[in-house]
Amino acid sequence: AQKITQTQPGMFVQEKEAVTLDCTYDTSDQSYGLFWYKQPSSGEMIFLIYQGSYDEQNATEGRYSLNFQKARKSANLVISASQLGDSAMYFCAMSTGDYKLSFGAGTTVTVRA
Amino acid sequence: SQTIHQWPATLVQPVGSPLSLECTVEGTSNPNLYWYRQAAGRGLQLLFYSIGIGQISSEVPQNLSASRPQDRQFILSSKKLLLSDSGFYLCAWSVEGGVEQYFGPGTRLTVT
Repeated sequence: AQKITQTQPGMFVQEKEAVTLDCTYDTSDQSYGLFWYKQPSSGEMIFLIYQGSYDEQNATEGRYSLNFQKARKSANLVISASQLGDSAMYFCAMSTGDYKLSFGAGTTVTVRA
Repeated sequence: SQTIHQWPATLVQPVGSPLSLECTVEGTSNPNLYWYRQAAGRGLQLLFYSIGIGQISSEVPQNLSASRPQDRQFILSSKKLLLSDSGFYLCAWSVEGGVEQYFGPGTRLTVT
């Protein structure tokens, strides 16, 4: 069974600073994908970034980057130059060959002006 | 472009009443479809997924059921709601063979 762990229930970050959200995972599969989603207070789930287990380079999408450390089974999300609109809940998720997603409990990020 | 719709957006139902939530996807064919539930302040739990019409897989045994009467339509139902069915229900789709899932706006269900 796959398991995703997000140990930070909530974080505060100053506007324009970077923030790192932790995510560790557990799976016996060799092929898997790691995702980060953002959920604002409106409830919609917004896809941010994806990393495949065989990708050697860390994924980046604009201000988002995924720090993938396969040996440690971690997939931390880094948000650079935080903006007030980044305040939201962030979820780490993992999929295996059957494309089902397993989600972590989430981390709430609050950006302060 | 592809869009996903869910309705209703919010719903308040008494215990023991039936439920029907609908999800439709536009702009794609033969998508994989998913139903998730999110309890307050928690992560998402996969309830059902479907890789084709009439093909439904259940992840968690409960009093909910799902059906896919058309290629791009996914319905979540219950004959008798329980208080524990309250939550935020999200429908998602992915392309056949794709890894990325795209979520709908969700339905907030309160069972009283």
